[in-house]
Amino acid sequence: NAGVTQTPKFRILKIGQSMTLQCTQDMNHNYMYWYRQDPGMGLKLIYYSVGAGITDKGEVPNGYNVSRSTTEDFPLRLELAAPSQTSVYFCASSYSAGSSGNTIYFGEGSWLTVV
Amino acid sequence: GQQVMQIPQYQHVQEGEDFTTYCNSSTTLSNIQWYKQRPGGHPVFLIQLVKSGEVKKQKRLTFQFGEAKKNSSLHITATQTTDVGTYFCAAGRGANNLFFGTGTRLTVIP
Repeated sequence: NAGVTQTPKFRILKIGQSMTLQCTQDMNHNYMYWYRQDPGMGLKLIYYSVGAGITDKGEVPNGYNVSRSTTEDFPLRLELAAPSQTSVYFCASSYSAGSSGNTIYFGEGSWLTVV
Repeated sequence: GQQVMQIPQYQHVQEGEDFTTYCNSSTTLSNIQWYKQRPGGHPVFLIQLVKSGEVKKQKRLTFQFGEAKKNSSLHITATQTTDVGTYFCAAGRGANNLFFGTGTRLTVIP
């Protein structure tokens, strides 16, 4: 199993540009998540999904959109990039709710800089 | 809303010294998880604690869950350079969300 795979690993965006961070998992997990981690800080939940066709907002959803058309894929879209969105983005998945004690598996991260 | 506070934010130790990080919540937790993130890496699951007063060990790492299930600690005995990284606790909120603490960044000086 590859686990959680996210692309791209690094990206520089200009203010106002849009882009999609791709995430796929091959563990047949129901739950998927997008977190952002600002330098030296903890993880903030952006959006999550409990299954195909179902998404919900986390702590910091503004400026982002997600979709979950399949169990495997959970792309994160930035529509109008702003410098405040400069961060490291982690996609993650779990079989069931992480809050219920299920292990969350993280991708390797995507480093995004908005200039 | 529920917050999970971790202290200290940073810790520098000499190799061989012990290290402890603490995680505190204002509300009772159903469970708590611990993750380690190496510099430039991604968080990796270490362990989960569920029961009041639970203690679990992984080699030199000892994890504790408080009796009131509002706090937890991670203790590393005789640190090694391989222990370098940021340690996060994570606690459940509601049915689906897992909230991560602010993390403790450990530096081990050889």
